[in-house]
Amino acid sequence: DVKVTQSSRYLVKRTGEKVFLECVQDMDHENMFWYRQDPGLGLRLIYFSYDVKMKEKGDIPEGYSVSREKKERFSLILESASTNQTSMYLCASTILLANTEAFFGQGTRLTVV
Amino acid sequence: GQQVMQIPQYQHVQEGEDFTTYCNSSTTLSNIQWYKQRPGGHPVFLIQLVKSGEVKKQKRLTFQFGEAKKNSSLHITATQTTDVGTYFCAGSFGNEKLTFGTGTRLTIIP
Repeated sequence: DVKVTQSSRYLVKRTGEKVFLECVQDMDHENMFWYRQDPGLGLRLIYFSYDVKMKEKGDIPEGYSVSREKKERFSLILESASTNQTSMYLCASTILLANTEAFFGQGTRLTVV
Repeated sequence: GQQVMQIPQYQHVQEGEDFTTYCNSSTTLSNIQWYKQRPGGHPVFLIQLVKSGEVKKQKRLTFQFGEAKKNSSLHITATQTTDVGTYFCAGSFGNEKLTFGTGTRLTIIP
């Protein structure tokens, strides 16, 4: 059974903290993605990676950075968390960049207080 | 960037009624995918359509891809309580990554 696993289901952090969200996939997929999901806004792409150490900005990269040191792991970093980053964060992976099924992790509900 | 518009944002139906959600793009899509997200869950892939005018069925669900490959629809016949959730379309433009629609949240009134 293929899996994308996110390190936390729920997180509560304080404003200004550095926050790490981790995602691991066991399917040997080349491509990994970080989205945030907010009511009425759907899934918005923050960053994606098409290879180890390679990354591309998505539609809303401001306030975020990413790291992909190993093929199976893709980390989202909030350098200084702010309350407007309170959201559901979803990681996904695909075997090809386009035209193939995306597999999602279970999501991390982040609250910044 | 390229956008995929999805309507309606919310839909409330009586159990047994039909439901349809629509996706539109101003630019030709190379394919369209549909995902379902149950309440508290994550998006799960349902299907991919690639050909112009393609129609696929999964039990009570019918998926269509427009002739111009700029629009798509998901139709559910005789909804059941198990159909509740948010339905997302996602399209690819050429060989670019997926672009998700904003989703349609379906609630069922028993």
